[in-house]
Amino acid sequence: QSVLTQSPSVSGAPGQRVTISCTGSSSNIGAGYDVHWYQQIPGTVPKLLIYGNRNRPSGVPDRFSGSKSGTSASLAITGLQAEDEADYYCQSYDSSLNGWVFGGGTKLTVL
Amino acid sequence: EVQLVQSGAEVKKPGESLKISCKGSGYSFATNWIGWVRQMPGRGLEWMGIIFPGDSDTRYSPSFQGQVTISADKSINTAYLQWSSLKASDTAMYYCATWFGPYWGQGTLVTVSS
Repeated sequence: QSVLTQSPSVSGAPGQRVTISCTGSSSNIGAGYDVHWYQQIPGTVPKLLIYGNRNRPSGVPDRFSGSKSGTSASLAITGLQAEDEADYYCQSYDSSLNGWVFGGGTKLTVL
Repeated sequence: EVQLVQSGAEVKKPGESLKISCKGSGYSFATNWIGWVRQMPGRGLEWMGIIFPGDSDTRYSPSFQGQVTISADKSINTAYLQWSSLKASDTAMYYCATWFGPYWGQGTLVTVSS
């Protein structure tokens, strides 16, 4: 059971907007620690999508955006494309564990 | 350019020992936490532990405490993950990563089979 909670799956049609949530607690997201988001296509290295809650690395389309509020964070994807079909993970730091924590991952299906 | 380059894939038998490596470049290796992440086949990402190479301060996930050893040699900008006695259940992809950035290595596939 992951410290950060993500819905197992989400789906949307091409062109639509989807959001993926990541729920933590007062010892991680709620304590103000940064949240990072990754996209992983099976068999490949996780790709950084969002760092520091809302920042996009160079090369990541602005269709991807991140936000954080209280003990939760969200990843929004607009203008859904077939190539967005992948697993998405959130990551933060936890002061109780003195280390990193991950969400269990959300599988995005583009219908 | 920040790079984390991991050692190659390994095939081992149960009970054998193993040490895999992750060499950092393009940043101050000694002053940035570096961690290890496990991904078992078809499963999610699991944090194993982190180390601060400057003073070797190491923290382990409770799930991995006592199961693996994390170390680092700041003189050669390299972090290590080692097992003293592998089990079939250690079969997985292992990634090293930094918190700043963050940056990830390319992964090391460890296969444990008799």
